[in-house]
Amino acid sequence: DTGVSQNPRHKITKRGQNVTFRCDPISEHNRLYWYRQTLGQGPEFLTYFQNEAQLEKSRLLSDRFSAERPKGSFSTLEIQRTEQGDSAMYLCASSREGNEKLFFGSGTQLSVL
Amino acid sequence: AQSVTQPDIHITVSEGASLELRCNYSYGATPYLFWYVQSPGQGLQLLLKYFSGDTLVQGIKGFEAEFKRSQSSFNLRKPSVHWSDAAEYFCAVAITNAGKSTFGDGTTLTVKP
Repeated sequence: DTGVSQNPRHKITKRGQNVTFRCDPISEHNRLYWYRQTLGQGPEFLTYFQNEAQLEKSRLLSDRFSAERPKGSFSTLEIQRTEQGDSAMYLCASSREGNEKLFFGSGTQLSVL
Repeated sequence: AQSVTQPDIHITVSEGASLELRCNYSYGATPYLFWYVQSPGQGLQLLLKYFSGDTLVQGIKGFEAEFKRSQSSFNLRKPSVHWSDAAEYFCAVAITNAGKSTFGDGTTLTVKP
């Protein structure tokens, strides 16, 4: 069990640029989740995958956001035309279906200048 | 939609003292209930969870929580706090899938020597 890995740990970008984050879940976990956390608040659910299928997206996930999990293993979260309001910690978590225990990665901290 | 309230933004306790962190939720039925801990630079770690059954649940690191249906509360307790417990604590609720949790805004715990 190597844990959930997220890359990069930090990303600084200019407004209007596109960014992509990667999440590698625990290998036997078929569910993968993305959350966003801003300073002073708890994580907010964005989207989740079961295997390669994206089963739900929060209304927080605007059209500029897209997530993929092409082979049911790692996932990417892309933000297009970043805005300053996108600055946040993006967290990934994984679990095994039927086991309601989430394992979180350390997150990617995005700063949009 | 469900919601979670953690009334205390910041709590300071002396090392060795007892601790209680409050959590209230709003939902028509009994949801799944969780407590997580987040240390700086670390991902969230699950301390304990309640699904059904015994309303007093034991978790890791000596923490316990009690579910009180009449008060819609799920307070976290520890009889004797250690300096290493200083962190941010989040209460979360979920209806069916733990990965689609709604989190409170957290309580920051400071431990005085």
